[in-house]
Amino acid sequence: DAKTTQPPSMDCAEGRAANLPCNHSTISGNEYVYWYRQIHSQGPQYIIHGLKNNETNEMASLIITEDRKSSTLILPHATLRDTAVYYCIVRLFGAGSYQLTFGKGTKLSVIP
Amino acid sequence: DTGVSQDPRHKITKRGQNVTFRCDPISEHNRLYWYRQTLGQGPEFLTYFQNEAQLEKSRLLSDRFSAERPKGSFSTLEIQRTEQGDSAMYLCASSLVVGTDTQYFGPGTRLTVL
Repeated sequence: DAKTTQPPSMDCAEGRAANLPCNHSTISGNEYVYWYRQIHSQGPQYIIHGLKNNETNEMASLIITEDRKSSTLILPHATLRDTAVYYCIVRLFGAGSYQLTFGKGTKLSVIP
Repeated sequence: DTGVSQDPRHKITKRGQNVTFRCDPISEHNRLYWYRQTLGQGPEFLTYFQNEAQLEKSRLLSDRFSAERPKGSFSTLEIQRTEQGDSAMYLCASSLVVGTDTQYFGPGTRLTVL
């Protein structure tokens, strides 16, 4: 699986949009971009994933650049409960794919 | 909500003792994964099952670790002769091998070896 690069930490004011960047410049054509978050002492929570089109669900939006070398996770209206470590992961899709390779992620602090 | 469940949530043991953790996946999910997470690090893959077959083991899974998934339902992870370095959060995830096979995680079992 390709590696990802994320800033170690970010702050966001409560109620504002949180934009979390991820660089995955070596991503291949059959690798998906996944985002998970982990609130302190809990298991990782799935947020969203995408291949090349932008995606939106009830939690967040995922914007993938046209060349697929980077992406941004957007939390439209951050709350204190969004304070967590956010992991960007690229994962091969298809036969033989199974594990998720986590980096250190971005620690997002939502400030009142 | 019938998400992934893990038991126990916390386990404190003395060095040299054996411990066993249980994971119940989301119903109908045929893949089950074990990960380990130490303080300040992201989770690391240990092993995974498709139905009852254990298909891959990480080199992190030493001979003291064994995992089973009888009948392709719940899974157990046993650590024999625990060492202080085994202290970590042990996470279980499950997925359905349809579409993009998204993994959903349980709350984890925190192991402390004294």
